[in-house]
Amino acid sequence: EAQVTQNPRYLITVTGKKLTVTCSQNMNHEYMSWYRQDPGLGLRQIYYSMNVEVTDKGDVPEGYKVSRKEKRNFPLILESPSPNQTSLYFCASSSPGRGDYGYTFGSGTRLTVV
Amino acid sequence: AQTVTQSQPEMSVQEAETVTLSCTYDTSENNYYLFWYKQPPSRQMILVIRQEAYKQQNATENRFSVNFQKAAKSFSLKISDSQLGDTAMYFCACGATNKLIFGTGTLLAVQP
Repeated sequence: EAQVTQNPRYLITVTGKKLTVTCSQNMNHEYMSWYRQDPGLGLRQIYYSMNVEVTDKGDVPEGYKVSRKEKRNFPLILESPSPNQTSLYFCASSSPGRGDYGYTFGSGTRLTVV
Repeated sequence: AQTVTQSQPEMSVQEAETVTLSCTYDTSENNYYLFWYKQPPSRQMILVIRQEAYKQQNATENRFSVNFQKAAKSFSLKISDSQLGDTAMYFCACGATNKLIFGTGTLLAVQP
């Protein structure tokens, strides 16, 4: 089954404790993105990657890091999480070769930073 | 900068009736796509319908159709014969593969 897999689904952590949210896709998509969803703000792009070793900032990159060492994986790293990073996070992938059919999303990660 | 505006934070519709969700956007791109995504309580993001901006014909997927007015930069979603399973948050999005800009969402409640 074609899918984007995010882990964990839920995470509660303390301020300053480094964490990684993993994302993997099995569709051989070139493009991958991370979004955060907050009430009243919709989804905002954090980082995106157009291929292996090619990443760029989205609209809200502060406090986050990403890497794209393999085509299928695109982890999101919070080096020193703060309470304002409490949010619902989505990983998504897409392929321009398919006429831009939009993103396939993961199931989301609910992160709480206390 | 691209923007997407959904001016209806919440809407309600009776089962079997028709409802229209509004969306306006602004972009300087010549080639772009428009999407409606559904987010039920399970929080999964599900693609409902897509529209290629260079196509004048409005997209249709079963009970879902759009009214795309390119000059007005408007992209509304019409849901016909509403069903209880249509209860969800609906997001309008505009952009291309590497960057989609989302609106703030419309929470639709289908009443029995």
